[in-house]
Order: sequence, then structure tokens, then C-alpha cells
Amino acid sequence: DTGVSQDPRHKITKRGQNVTFRCDPISEHNRLYWYRQTLGQGPEFLTYFQNEAQLEKSRLLSDRFSAERPKGSFSTLEIQRTEQGDSAMYLCASSLAAAANNEQFFGPGTRLTVL
Amino acid sequence: DAKTTQPPSMDCAEGRAANLPCNHSTISGNEYVYWYRQIHSQGPQYIIHGLKNNETNEMASLIITEDRKSSTLILPHATLRDTAVYYCIVSAYSSASKIIFGSGTRLSIRP
Repeated sequence: DTGVSQDPRHKITKRGQNVTFRCDPISEHNRLYWYRQTLGQGPEFLTYFQNEAQLEKSRLLSDRFSAERPKGSFSTLEIQRTEQGDSAMYLCASSLAAAANNEQFFGPGTRLTVL
Repeated sequence: DAKTTQPPSMDCAEGRAANLPCNHSTISGNEYVYWYRQIHSQGPQYIIHGLKNNETNEMASLIITEDRKSSTLILPHATLRDTAVYYCIVSAYSSASKIIFGSGTRLSIRP
């Protein structure tokens, strides 16, 4: 257990539905990242926050995806009008900007299946 | 795109040293070499990082060649719990830093 939690751990939804995932980082960490991982591939960066500011978004993050970190603590990732291609593991990570080694601590992920 | 090249899979006998190679021939002077691993159904886990000197911690050793174009992660006494995908990453220390993962090396430890 790294101290990063994600909820839910699994989500099955039908195509066209909206889903929202939550990530609770390690409490003192000011940076929070979202990644997506499909089977057999390494995780792909989606977006990152420093405190409540969303500082970078990948081109992978289409208009149907939105992420927030309203109080600089937990974050949510919403996918609207889900498609079968959105099926993946969604990973959250957090880090401390001042950390000596830039280590990111990953949560267990939310596995999304779109039917 | 990932800046590293790793073999897709390796295996090692339990109790022996596992040596995982990584090529990063285009590494820049301000980029570090990081290693993470991902055990099945878990998120990635940081192992070690280095710039140009060899590094050792409680998990592993990292050997970086003098020209910094390649490195080797060494697990000195592999156990079954070390079965995982190992990712070699290069990243500038000062960047934010999103991690750009490649496909990694799937390490299997056999009893």
C-alpha cells in the first residue's frame, strides 16, 4: 500500500454512459498525475496537477475527458459518453515537488470496462 | 515516445542475480535514469535512479556505463516476488515530471 487510494477499483459501464473516478493522494503531496494503461502496454500520461492547477494535458485527453483537483487534495477524472476504446486501467500517482528523487507513488488503479 | 530500449522478456532462477539491461543512447546531460516495476494488478513502484554514478539501495543496484548510453538494473538475489514488468525511464530531474513509460521487460523468476 503506497498511501494513494483510488475508487472504485473496478467499473463496468455501457457505451455512452458517463463515469467518474476518484484519487486520494498521499496527504502532503502537491503533485497528482493521471495515467492510462491498456493491456500489455506501459502506462501513458494523461494529465498532471500541481496543487489545484492543471498544468499539463496529453493529446490523449480528448474533449470527453475532464480532470479536476478542486482543493488541491483529491482528484476526479470523468469520462463522458464512454467508448469501448476507453476500456483500460486508469492509474493515479502523487509526488512531492520538493522530493529529492522525483519519485511518484502510484495507486492500485481503476479498471474500466466499457461494454 | 520512450527514449529507452529494453528486451521484452527475461527469466532468472530464484536466488540468482537478475540483470536487466536498458539502452538509452540519446540521453541528455541533464537526464536521469529511473527504474520502476509493476507487479501484476498493481500500480508501478519506484526502484532506483541515478545520473552517472552507480547507485545501490535496499531493492537493487544500478550500473550506468561511463558514456551513459546504457545501464543495468541488478536484483542481487531474485525471489518469486520480483516477478514483474520492469521499466527503464530517462527523465530530466527538473521537469514536472510526467513519466514516459515504454513497454518494459517482463521478468519471470523461476523456482
